[in-house]
Amino acid sequence: NAGVMQNPRHLVRRRGQEARLRCSPMKGHSHVYWYRQLPEEGLKFMVYLQKENIIDESGMPKERFSAEFPKEGPSILRIQQVVRGDSAAYFCASSDGTGGDEQYFGPGTRLTVT
Amino acid sequence: AQSVTQLGSHVSVSEGALVLLRCNYSSSVPPYLFWYVQYPNQGLQLLLKYTSAATLVKGINGFEAEFKKSETSFHLTKPSAHMSDAAEYFCAVTTNTNAGKSTFGDGTTLTVKP
Repeated sequence: NAGVMQNPRHLVRRRGQEARLRCSPMKGHSHVYWYRQLPEEGLKFMVYLQKENIIDESGMPKERFSAEFPKEGPSILRIQQVVRGDSAAYFCASSDGTGGDEQYFGPGTRLTVT
Repeated sequence: AQSVTQLGSHVSVSEGALVLLRCNYSSSVPPYLFWYVQYPNQGLQLLLKYTSAATLVKGINGFEAEFKKSETSFHLTKPSAHMSDAAEYFCAVTTNTNAGKSTFGDGTTLTVKP
């Protein structure tokens, strides 16, 4: 049973380019969460999605960041016009949506903005 | 609202010594609590979880944690540290009213000295 998959594992972008991060949840999971981990910091919640719906985006920066989880295909975290401060590890997690069930994490995408 | 505080960003122990990593939480409703471990350049792996059953929870790799409501604590312990335990550890809280969105502590880096 494949776990949560994220790609790419490493992504290098120049300032001003777009970054697209993909996440495929565990089989049977329809809830996806994105977190950002800055160097030497913990994970910060960004957005929570179910299929075709954004449930909670309270942690998303107001500009340049967007997320989707289409009916078919992976969840996408999109960062437009990247800046150096966007350099971080971005983790995706999935669950079946119940509060008592743990989230299963992917290996992360490490974004470096040059 | 929910929050987690991990006391001590760095903990160092000798191999064979007791490991104690502290976590205090705040939640207006009954919480679910988790400990995750993160090895360098990897995603998070669940160590154990508290979901309102037994207050003493046993996890993988010999770790355990005790939920103490009166102290709002969920400290992680292991009787005898092993070199392979060196990693970063995160405490997290979620609730049934928060649709599974987890709030993470800032993490504790555990160093194990030979």
